[in-house]
Amino acid sequence: EVQLLESGGGLEQPGGSLRLSCAASGFTFRSYAMSWVRHAPGKGLDWVSSIVDSGYSTYYADSVKGRFTISRDNSKNTLWLQMNSLRAEDTAVYYCVLSSGWGGPSYFDYWGQGILVTVSS
Amino acid sequence: DIQMTQSPSSLSASVGDRVTITCRASQSISNYLNWYQQKAGKAPKLLIYAASSLQSGVPSRFSGSGSGTDFTLTLSSLQPEDFATYYCQQSYTTPLTFGGGTKVEIK
Repeated sequence: EVQLLESGGGLEQPGGSLRLSCAASGFTFRSYAMSWVRHAPGKGLDWVSSIVDSGYSTYYADSVKGRFTISRDNSKNTLWLQMNSLRAEDTAVYYCVLSSGWGGPSYFDYWGQGILVTVSS
Repeated sequence: DIQMTQSPSSLSASVGDRVTITCRASQSISNYLNWYQQKAGKAPKLLIYAASSLQSGVPSRFSGSGSGTDFTLTLSSLQPEDFATYYCQQSYTTPLTFGGGTKVEIK
C-alpha cells in the first residue's frame, strides 16, 4: 500500500522558513517523480513543484520560484520542500503527491494526508 | 501558462441524476488532462487520467472524454458519496495547472 506521510508544517512568521518532509513507502520511490500541491483556504488546488525520479530536474510554479526548493533522497525514500521567505499567501495545506507518467500524460495518483502551513504574524 | 476553465463552478443535483462538468484549456493539450475529486477536509482523489482512462478502483459511473482544448467529466448516475468538488488538471507542460473546481451539491 502506497503511503505518503508529510511532516514539518506549522505556524511561521512572514519572511520565515519551514521545511516539509514526506516519508514514502509501499512503492519503488526512486522510480517515480514526486510533487507538492497545495490547497489554500477557500481556494482551488495549486501545483507548487515537481522533481523527476533521479532528482536531476526540478520544476516550480512562478509564485514560489527562488523561494522554495524541492529535493529528494532516494536512499531514504524521502521528499522535501524547503520553504524560505514565506508569505501570507503561502498559507495552505500542502500535499506530497506521487506523480506517475512523468514525461508523458502524467497524473497525481497518490496523495498524502496533507500538512497545514500557516504564515502569519 | 495554460489556463484551465471549468464550468459550472457549482451545481445542484439529485441522486440518480446525470451530471456533466466541462473543462476548457487555453491551448491544445492533446489528452494530457486529469480529473480529481476532493471531499471537504480530505486529499484529492484521482478519477480519470489521460482524458478518458478510469483510475483503478473508481466506479464505472465516472467517465471522461475530449481532446485538444475541450474535455468533459460525466457522472452517469449521481450517488450520495459523489457530492464533492471536482477539478481538472493539465499535465501538458509546466506550470501544471488546475481548473477552478466544480462543487457538486445536493438538490
